[in-house]
Amino acid sequence: GAVVSQHPSRVICKSGTSVKIECRSLDFQATTMFWYRQFPKQSLMLMATSNEGSKATYEQGVEKDKFLINHASLTLSTLTVTSAHPEDSSFYICSAVTSNNEQFFGPGTRLTVL
Amino acid sequence: AQSVTQPDIHITVSEGASLELRCNYSYGATPYLFWYVQSPGQGLQLLLKYFSGDTLVQGIKGFEAEFKRSQSSFNLRKPSVHWSDAAEYFCAVTTTSGTYKYIFGTGTRLKVLA
Repeated sequence: GAVVSQHPSRVICKSGTSVKIECRSLDFQATTMFWYRQFPKQSLMLMATSNEGSKATYEQGVEKDKFLINHASLTLSTLTVTSAHPEDSSFYICSAVTSNNEQFFGPGTRLTVL
Repeated sequence: AQSVTQPDIHITVSEGASLELRCNYSYGATPYLFWYVQSPGQGLQLLLKYFSGDTLVQGIKGFEAEFKRSQSSFNLRKPSVHWSDAAEYFCAVTTTSGTYKYIFGTGTRLKVLA
């Protein structure tokens, strides 16, 4: 099946700094990628839809200036958490959509903000 | 509103026993249905999916699920559970057209007793 990678797998940062998370589709091109956030022992909550070559579409309640998404190529989307605070600590998962409309998920990135 | 319900937050079964995880959905359009498994700190692995056709779907690791339109259900089953099946299980639904956004259920945490 299609493979999606995320980097880094874990990141610890200080409050007030920015953190970039990469999502790559390794063996297919994806015009659409999704970013999810998962709190401990909870389900995945869709944050935004990342569209190659255009602005991301954010779900209600997600601050677009806080969570910057860039989908500059057909194999890479990045999520930047700006001015991170402890409440941004979470597990972030991306997914990429194949040409036959199947989503494949990355392994996730654990963000801890001190 | 579109929603996915997994009524059981936790389920405990003995190794070798049968398993059924419930999933009910509320969706206006024709749904695509999925079951994913997530081990602690890991991403999502697709167990099986239903798009159309035979309503009994076979997946990986010995899992199967049955789509029942009249009951708006897509329950996951396994005849004999192994200790390695202990994980979090998520049901998800998306539409057959449009943005391919997934709506996830809240998850069911499976514990397997030796």
